[in-house]
Amino acid sequence: KAGVTQTPRYLIKTRGQQVTLSCSPISGHRSVSWYQQTPGQGLQFLFEYFSETQRNKGNFPGRFSGRQFSNSRSEMNVSTLELGDSALYLCASSLGLAGGNEQFFGPGTRLTVL
Amino acid sequence: AQSVTQPDIHITVSEGASLELRCNYSYGATPYLFWYVQSPGQGLQLLLKYFSGDTLVQGIKGFEAEFKRSQSSFNLRKPSVHWSDAAEYFCAVGAQQAGTALIFGKGTTLSVSS
Repeated sequence: KAGVTQTPRYLIKTRGQQVTLSCSPISGHRSVSWYQQTPGQGLQFLFEYFSETQRNKGNFPGRFSGRQFSNSRSEMNVSTLELGDSALYLCASSLGLAGGNEQFFGPGTRLTVL
Repeated sequence: AQSVTQPDIHITVSEGASLELRCNYSYGATPYLFWYVQSPGQGLQLLLKYFSGDTLVQGIKGFEAEFKRSQSSFNLRKPSVHWSDAAEYFCAVGAQQAGTALIFGKGTTLSVSS
């Protein structure tokens, strides 16, 4: 069974631009969660989608948004990029809701904002 | 407030020695507990999880963890560390309730000396 895939793996953008990251979950998984990982803040929860509906959202500004498609694939968008958005963005999928199920993580997208 | 604390930022252990990584949590509901490992440049891999039942859980790669409700702890142990265990380890807490996010600790970096 294929694992969670994320594209692109690396991305370099400049301040003010916007970016879209993509995540394909494991086949059959209906939940997709997104996390931001930085050396200072660790792993911070962004949001979770389940069956195309946002089920939970972390404490991030509205510049961070996401969506999930009918095939469970998910995209995350960050608008008006800031230097502080430089991070590893991890996507995770699970059969059920994230809090009570094993999550399988993708390799991440490394975003650098210049 | 819900939180996970990993008191040790960095631990160095000799190869062949035993290992214990500490995790304390603060959570209102009955917690689901997880330990994940992250190797450099990789996503997170689940080592083990506790939902209910036997408080000593076995995981992959020879790891085990013990849930102690009275101490709000879920410490990870391994009797004999291998050089390949060098990585970052994350404790996380969640619950099987809609809208519950998985909360991660800041992580403990394990170095293995020969």
